[in-house]
Parts: sequence; C-alpha cells; structure tokens
Amino acid sequence: GNSVTQMEGPVTLSEEAFLTINCTYTATGYPSLFWYVQYPGEGLQLLLKATKADDKGSNKGFEATYRKETTSFHLEKGSVQVSDSAVYFCALRTQGGSEKLVFGKGTKLTVNP
Amino acid sequence: DTAVSQTPKYLVTQMGNDKSIKCEQNLGHDTMYWYKQDSKKFLKIMFSYNNKELIINETVPNRFSPKSPDKAHLNLHINSLELGDSAVYFCASSQVGGSLYEQYFGPGTRLTVT
Repeated sequence: GNSVTQMEGPVTLSEEAFLTINCTYTATGYPSLFWYVQYPGEGLQLLLKATKADDKGSNKGFEATYRKETTSFHLEKGSVQVSDSAVYFCALRTQGGSEKLVFGKGTKLTVNP
Repeated sequence: DTAVSQTPKYLVTQMGNDKSIKCEQNLGHDTMYWYKQDSKKFLKIMFSYNNKELIINETVPNRFSPKSPDKAHLNLHINSLELGDSAVYFCASSQVGGSLYEQYFGPGTRLTVT
C-alpha cells in the first residue's frame, strides 16, 4: 500500500541552523510528493511539491528533491528562523480514480532565538 | 475572503450527543475532504466528495455521516459521540485533475467529547 515515513520529532534548533527533515515513501507507480506546514492553531498549507523524479520543489527557502532511487523527499533549509516553528508533514498523492493525500505523522520543529 | 471556512472552531460536548460541523469553500473546487487529526498530530483522511458524490470513505464508523448539499459545502454529522472522537477535524478542497494539484485546508474544528 501507500505510506509515508517521516523522521520522529520533535526537532529543536537554534536560529540560522541548517534543517533536514527526512521523508521516505512507499507507493505504486509514480506519486506526486508534497510538504505541508501547519503553524500553531492553523490548518495545513502547501509548502512545496514535486511531481516527477529529480524535480526540486522550493518555497520560502525550503527545498526538497524527489529521489526515485531512494524513494525519498527530504526537506531542507539552510538557515531557519523562529517563524519556521511549526509541524511539517510529508505527503504523497495517490494515483488512480480516487485521488487522495497520504500523510506522514508530522515532525514538530521548534526554532529558538 | 477565507478560502475554506469551518464552523464552529471549537466544539465541546458530552458523550452520546449528536453534533455537526460545517465547511464551505469559495474556490470553485469540485472536490472536498474531511480529515481527522489526533492528539499526536497524525492526520488521516475520512471522506472525499467530488461534485457532491462520495468517492472516498476510509472505514470510518457509520456514526459519521458527511453531507454535501452542493459542491461548495461539505458538512460532517456525528451521532452518539464517543470520547475517542475528540480530535481536530479539518475540511479541505481541491480541483481534481488540475495541473496545479493542491489541497486547501480550513482552520480546523477542535472537538472535545467529555
């Protein structure tokens, strides 16, 4: 079946530190991959996406590259800010008639000043 | 204008009661979803409607009944509430088949069953 595995959190970093949140997936075919972010008390927002192998999604300084050979979509940011504190979800979009998102369990990031 | 709105934002009720959560989207999307997020932040799809037709029902107890009066609205009715129903419920919408596939989420409804 389709599944997404994210690194366990929580992750605590100091401002300007480098961020990596690992994400690997299991899926049939070639799913589209997404990172969503949930700020405290809010709904999820799409952060970035990639639809095919070797695509790189990027937004707000975050990047992730669709790696088919390692079935991974790791999220990175070179220099985090306090405002990046949130829960980050990796997700894949299933193919076929009933499209849906399958989410990882989320990784909580706290950035301290 | 809010793209996906939900009411109420907070809902506190007792076991055994029946309650409804409403969702509306003004994005012109053809598909709407309900997700449940548990206390550990795990997010799982419950239902999906496309043009008012149910297309995904993820083994949710039949105490949960979604209703879509039109493609801009998807309401969730829950009968005989149980403690385990306490969670945050998110509504979302998307345009299936569009080249820029993205689900837009509402702000969530925090349901607490006592």
